[in-house]
Amino acid sequence: GENVEQHPSTLSVQEGDSAVIKCTYSDSASNYFPWYKQELGKRPQLIIDIRSNVGEKKDQRIAVTLNKTAKHFSLHITETQPEDSAVYFCAPFTGGFKTIFGAGTRLFVKA
Amino acid sequence: DSGVTQTPKHLITATGQRVTLRCSPRSGDLSVYWYQQSLDQGLQFLIQYYNGEERAKGNILERFSAQQFPDLHSELNLSSLELGDSALYFCASSVTGQHNSPLHFGNGTRLTVT
Repeated sequence: GENVEQHPSTLSVQEGDSAVIKCTYSDSASNYFPWYKQELGKRPQLIIDIRSNVGEKKDQRIAVTLNKTAKHFSLHITETQPEDSAVYFCAPFTGGFKTIFGAGTRLFVKA
Repeated sequence: DSGVTQTPKHLITATGQRVTLRCSPRSGDLSVYWYQQSLDQGLQFLIQYYNGEERAKGNILERFSAQQFPDLHSELNLSSLELGDSALYFCASSVTGQHNSPLHFGNGTRLTVT
């Protein structure tokens, strides 16, 4: 079955530092790799996604990199700000119809 | 605003009762997904519908059921409620029947079972 793992589960950084969250999946047929951000008490929202025909995508301070051979993709946040504090979820499309989310990474950005 | 509407926002009920949660997807989206999020937990996939048909099932309890109507809105029915069913229930929608396009989440229904 589908297996999605996220690391770390918790990440604490100083404002201005970078943060990296990794998502590992098991299905080699996966071809869509999104990241969602959920602020406290709010709904998850897509912040960036990438498809399997590219290795990296960037949107201002956020980037996603994909390593299809190793079956993982990572979220990179540079110059972190307090408003980046949230829970981040990966949800790779595993080829089946079940849309499985990773367990989440709680990011704390200390001012 | 995601364009996905969930009602009600809050629901408080007693054990053993039955409730119905409602979701209207974004205009043009054919798929509806239901997720359960317990306190400080992840998003547990319950069920997905595409254009009125059940497409995939996750760890949905037998006490729970759902359907998607011809106008594409969906309802999640929870019966014989237990304290452990207290959670935030999210609905999401997408254009396609597979998660190879972004999911758009509603604001959720917070269910409290007392």
